[in-house]
Amino acid sequence: DTGVSQNPRHKITKRGQNVTFRCDPISEHNRLYWYRQTLGQGPEFLTYFQNEAQLEKSRLLSDRFSAERPKGSFSTLEIQRTEQGDSAMYLCASSLGQVGEKLFFGSGTQLSVL
Amino acid sequence: DQQVKQNSPSLSVQEGRISILNCDYTNSMFDYFLWYKKYPAEGPTFLISISSIKDKNEDGRFTVFLNKSAKHLSLHIVPSQPGDSAVYFCAATKNTGGFKTIFGAGTRLFVKA
Repeated sequence: DTGVSQNPRHKITKRGQNVTFRCDPISEHNRLYWYRQTLGQGPEFLTYFQNEAQLEKSRLLSDRFSAERPKGSFSTLEIQRTEQGDSAMYLCASSLGQVGEKLFFGSGTQLSVL
Repeated sequence: DQQVKQNSPSLSVQEGRISILNCDYTNSMFDYFLWYKKYPAEGPTFLISISSIKDKNEDGRFTVFLNKSAKHLSLHIVPSQPGDSAVYFCAATKNTGGFKTIFGAGTRLFVKA
């Protein structure tokens, strides 16, 4: 068990470009979450999957954002036509979906939009 | 609408003394509360949790207290150690599953040697 893995760790892009992040959860975890964190704030919920089904999306997730979890394993988060306001740390977490819902986080992908 | 609030952005404590981090919540539906610790360049890691049916949970140097009537919880660290210096996030969720976890803005703890 190597924990939750996120790639890349850092991404610098120009405004208007598309970016894609990958998350590999802990293998036996059926729930996968995406959060976004900006400086001085806590993680903000974006979306979550139960196996391959995307069960909830935040209002924060505009139509430029799309997330997938094919086959209920790894997940990708794509941001189209990036804007400077998208600059943030994107965190992935997974869980067993049990009582108490303890989340295991990856180290995140730091996105900088120039 | 901030459902989980941590009103102290930072806290400085001398090594060996007690650290008390506070958290307030507004949503009565929350019935499970967690604290996470975050070091720079790492994701948050789970520290301790408490169910709403309890008012205290202890794990070594860490104790979480819950006051449901006041919608308030606190994390006590005693004795504080320099390695405890990190950002601490309070989080809340509903225990039935399928309910997202909501985080506070965090409190940065500095433990001085």
